[in-house]
Amino acid sequence: DIQMTQSPASLSASLEEIVTITCQASQDIGNWLAWYQQKPGKSPQLLIYGATSLADGVPSRFSGSRSGTQYSLKISRLQVEDIGIYYCQQASSAPYTFGAGTKLELK
Amino acid sequence: EVQLVESGGGLVQPGRSLKLSCAASGFTFSNYYMAWVRQAPKKGLEWVATISTSGSRTYYPDSVKGRFTISRDNAKSSLYLQMNSLKSEDTATYYCARFNIGTTTAYFDYWGQGVMVTVSS
Repeated sequence: DIQMTQSPASLSASLEEIVTITCQASQDIGNWLAWYQQKPGKSPQLLIYGATSLADGVPSRFSGSRSGTQYSLKISRLQVEDIGIYYCQQASSAPYTFGAGTKLELK
Repeated sequence: EVQLVESGGGLVQPGRSLKLSCAASGFTFSNYYMAWVRQAPKKGLEWVATISTSGSRTYYPDSVKGRFTISRDNAKSSLYLQMNSLKSEDTATYYCARFNIGTTTAYFDYWGQGVMVTVSS
């Protein structure tokens, strides 16, 4: 099974700050990587697909990048509505595994 | 507007069965793979099952293989998850999700609100 190692597990940041979350895949998964945001008490929502493509309706302050088997989600200017838990997920091969999540809080 | 509405959750004893349903609307259901993803209380996300557009192909992780069965009725735009031999570790919120597969990537692009399943005596 492909392991997705996500870091950090938790993150405290200030409004307008730049935030970066990373996921390391245990093997090559190409661009079969997505990022999701889950706000408290809500369902997950798709943010990024194909490692770098922004999902419909997602603010442009969110971006995804890839360097080999390391993937990053960047929030360019943190807003209060960005608070929640973020997950990466690979769909290169079953089982489709998720990272453990990053809990993003306001400082 | 894409909508996915799950139903059928509840409290069930270990070893018993439960069937979840998901009613889809706002898109051509038969054109998309569909999936179930679960989340144990205060835990992360775990993929549970995926089904092809026609229903001829299904995929499961080892944790539920042989116990869970995903199915669909394209005429009713509905997705199902039959869960047998339930264990306490199956306690979770179960999400119905649309699985969008392309040539170079795949992702869960729409999610339902989730339905809680509690396995306990």
